[in-house]
Amino acid sequence: QQQVKQSPQSLIVQKGGIPIINCAYENTAFDYFPWYQQFPGKGPALLIAIRPDVSEKKEGRFTISFNKSAKQFSLHIMDSQPGDSATYFCAASTGANNLFFGTGTRLTVIP
Amino acid sequence: KAGVTQTPRYLIKTRGQQVTLSCSPISGHRSVSWYQQTPGQGLQFLFEYFSETQRNKGNFPGRFSGRQFSNSRSEMNVSTLELGDSALYLCASSRGQGKEKLFFGSGTQLSVL
Repeated sequence: QQQVKQSPQSLIVQKGGIPIINCAYENTAFDYFPWYQQFPGKGPALLIAIRPDVSEKKEGRFTISFNKSAKQFSLHIMDSQPGDSATYFCAASTGANNLFFGTGTRLTVIP
Repeated sequence: KAGVTQTPRYLIKTRGQQVTLSCSPISGHRSVSWYQQTPGQGLQFLFEYFSETQRNKGNFPGRFSGRQFSNSRSEMNVSTLELGDSALYLCASSRGQGKEKLFFGSGTQLSVL
């Protein structure tokens, strides 16, 4: 059973567009929600993370929106660039326990 | 500072064989986690070691095992390989037991023929 459901599976946007990737969870004990970026041939790298006590977090062009009541969170990439083309994974965990990952979204940004 | 190092980078085995994968965490990191990545399934947690003790284990059969040494280096072993074990095996390290600041290696791509 997938603890974190991620959509869409793939996404194609034009340069400058704002791709949005969505994730949903059921376990209300989750208290840490990171997003990872993975390029081909590389391991995932932490991009940005949020805790449920805030509704939004921005780091550069990347923003996480968090809706605790709906048990959903999303990643927005402002002014997307071809270099942002990668696979993005959302994840969730409780305390010091392991991360549960979504199935990933392959993003392609067309020049 | 060197990142997480995994060896070998690629591995080809046949069904029934066993395999050992190695992971050297970032210097100073005491926690090592292992994940299996397959297309469509994303990353599935295998197990985590902290100070040579297995702290957490995912939902994988007993054919998957691991260990951690006193220098925090870790190995995972898969016995009696099956075709479905073909995957990218990722190791991640962190300083403590929390899941923040988890750093991944580039993985070992295992192909079972």
